[in-house]
Amino acid sequence: EADIYQTPRYLVIGTGKKITLECSQTMGHDKMYWYQQDPGMELHLIHYSYGVNSTEKGDLSSESTVSRIRTEHFPLTLESARPSHTSQYLCASSDGWDTRYNEQFFGPGTRLTVL
Amino acid sequence: AQKITQTQPGMFVQEKEAVTLDCTYDTSDPSYGLFWYKQPSSGEMIFLIYQGSYDQQNATEGRYSLNFQKARKSANLVISASQLGDSAMYFCAMREGNNAGNMLTFGGGTRLMVKP
Repeated sequence: EADIYQTPRYLVIGTGKKITLECSQTMGHDKMYWYQQDPGMELHLIHYSYGVNSTEKGDLSSESTVSRIRTEHFPLTLESARPSHTSQYLCASSDGWDTRYNEQFFGPGTRLTVL
Repeated sequence: AQKITQTQPGMFVQEKEAVTLDCTYDTSDPSYGLFWYKQPSSGEMIFLIYQGSYDQQNATEGRYSLNFQKARKSANLVISASQLGDSAMYFCAMREGNNAGNMLTFGGGTRLMVKP
């Protein structure tokens, strides 16, 4: 069973606020990912990390930033939230010793609404 | 060009019947892997089944099987004996071989609705 956690699960916030979405995994995975997904639509990769102190931008341009100071922790920050940031944000990790196919494990997601 | 195409935005199936969800892919890499994930209304992505490009047999995992037709570049998911709990979004994804980041490309998904 995957052990990857995201908080908060739901967030409603006003325009201009700074927010941080938390993601933690206890599987010791090197690689971590953030995806953005509009309801019923495909997932778009916005950030990924190969390991500690490594962060890269994904295919979809995003105003968010990420950091990877510890293996288990990969937070995503929006300095000034806007209504266009309203979406679901999914965190994932991979490259553990305990996977057969090197599949990505996903957290439960954070549903963000910016008013 | 789309790398992963799922042409069925939504499908209905009667409980206890089998259903096939379509997925076609596009890659020039001879080494790749194909994944199917289930996303219930709660939002999390659940890994279902994997097919490697060099695998000789179609993958099976319980009620899930993959109809892998390499020449046609299709990897359709077959769910046998549908249950009400199978109602969800289903996503096909591909990992191409030369991919140090283990990154996936996802299709647009198919919403499956199981009727009682």
